[in-house]
Amino acid sequence: DTAVSQTPKYLVTQMGNDKSIKCEQNLGHDTMYWYKQDSKKFLKIMFSYNNKELIINETVPNRFSPKSPDKAHLNLHINSLELGDSAVYFCASSLGGAIEQFFGPGTRLTVL
Amino acid sequence: GENVEQHPSTLSVQEGDSAVIKCTYSDSASNYFPWYKQELGKRPQLIIDIRSNVGEKKDQRIAVTLNKTAKHFSLHITETQPEDSAVYFCAAKGRGGADGLTFGKGTHLIIQP
Repeated sequence: DTAVSQTPKYLVTQMGNDKSIKCEQNLGHDTMYWYKQDSKKFLKIMFSYNNKELIINETVPNRFSPKSPDKAHLNLHINSLELGDSAVYFCASSLGGAIEQFFGPGTRLTVL
Repeated sequence: GENVEQHPSTLSVQEGDSAVIKCTYSDSASNYFPWYKQELGKRPQLIIDIRSNVGEKKDQRIAVTLNKTAKHFSLHITETQPEDSAVYFCAAKGRGGADGLTFGKGTHLIIQP
């Protein structure tokens, strides 16, 4: 039974399209995150979200938006996809702060 | 915001030797410092972490040290094995409940047989 899961694993799409990546955790965690790993393997926080606050990295374009239907899910919506959005996107979760974050398997997004 | 610097970017050691990776952070309010190992095509996996009230932590062949005054922390791997080959990331987390991790740029550790 998977702790943090993401769908799809691979996503290939055209520039200008809108797409979503889903993330689910079954750990009972209260905080979820989205990270972007680019072609140079740099891992960068995009969003952090718990039931009280959403923290947005100021470098993330507003074409990206997280949506949380419930505590176990944090989906990532991307509008008007650009070539530079191609990357691996990782979802993660934790129970509160200062504690291990469990990562999902990643979604490799390729924008053509 | 937090900035984490990590060195070296690539480290090649002979099997059985020790490897050391160093990181510095900028925000004195950061209080949690994990290390992740990422194999090719896989997710980052936590290997060890340390909190700001502790100076050193060890788990079998892996140890981490933290110097809060100098704002730097290091990963030590002893008796390296071929399966230790991977990319290692250090990270720092602020005190906010929902703060994400700020990662270093990674170290590609190569274990030479």
